[in-house]
Amino acid sequence: AQTVTQSQPEMSVQEAETVTLSCTYDTSESDYYLFWYKQPPSRQMILVIRQEAYKQQNATENRFSVNFQKAAKSFSLKISDSQLGDAAMYFCAYTGDDKIIFGKGTRLHILP
Amino acid sequence: DVKVTQSSRYLVKRTGEKVFLECVQDMDHENMFWYRQDPGLGLRLIYFSYDVKMKEKGDIPEGYSVSREKKERFSLILESASTNQTSMYLCASSLAAFSYNEQFFGPGTRLTVL
Repeated sequence: AQTVTQSQPEMSVQEAETVTLSCTYDTSESDYYLFWYKQPPSRQMILVIRQEAYKQQNATENRFSVNFQKAAKSFSLKISDSQLGDAAMYFCAYTGDDKIIFGKGTRLHILP
Repeated sequence: DVKVTQSSRYLVKRTGEKVFLECVQDMDHENMFWYRQDPGLGLRLIYFSYDVKMKEKGDIPEGYSVSREKKERFSLILESASTNQTSMYLCASSLAAFSYNEQFFGPGTRLTVL
């Protein structure tokens, strides 16, 4: 069965610094998709970034980038130049084979 | 601006009551989803629907049912609410299920069952 593991329940980072959130997953599929979603306090969950498993190039969206290592089944999120608005719960998600699995989340605190 | 709306932000019900949670999307999406979110457990899929009147069980369907009579509306029903159904419920929609297409989420309904 597919699983998604986020090993860091909480993290803190100084404003303007860089932070990396980890995510590992397990699947026997070769074709799948990976996502990072952000849930700010009392606000709707939104997509941060996504990756297709067959693409080797790491996805990038402005200050957000991923380190996708397919063989290691790792999909970490790097946030550069952290801003106060980045404070949120971040969920890693796997989808494929008619399933979607979310990790338990990492709460990110931004220290001013 | 795309929107997924949920009928209530907060709801308090008594054990044994029948509870309806409503979700509406304005993006003409085929696929809609209901999740529950619990601290330390992340999001877990309850049911999803890929078309009007179609539904599929997710990972934790026990104690829940759903209804999709119109494309834009997807309802989650707790036939007889129990205290262990106290949770945050999130609705989402997407253009295609289980694909590269992102899911758009509603604001959530925090349900308390007393």
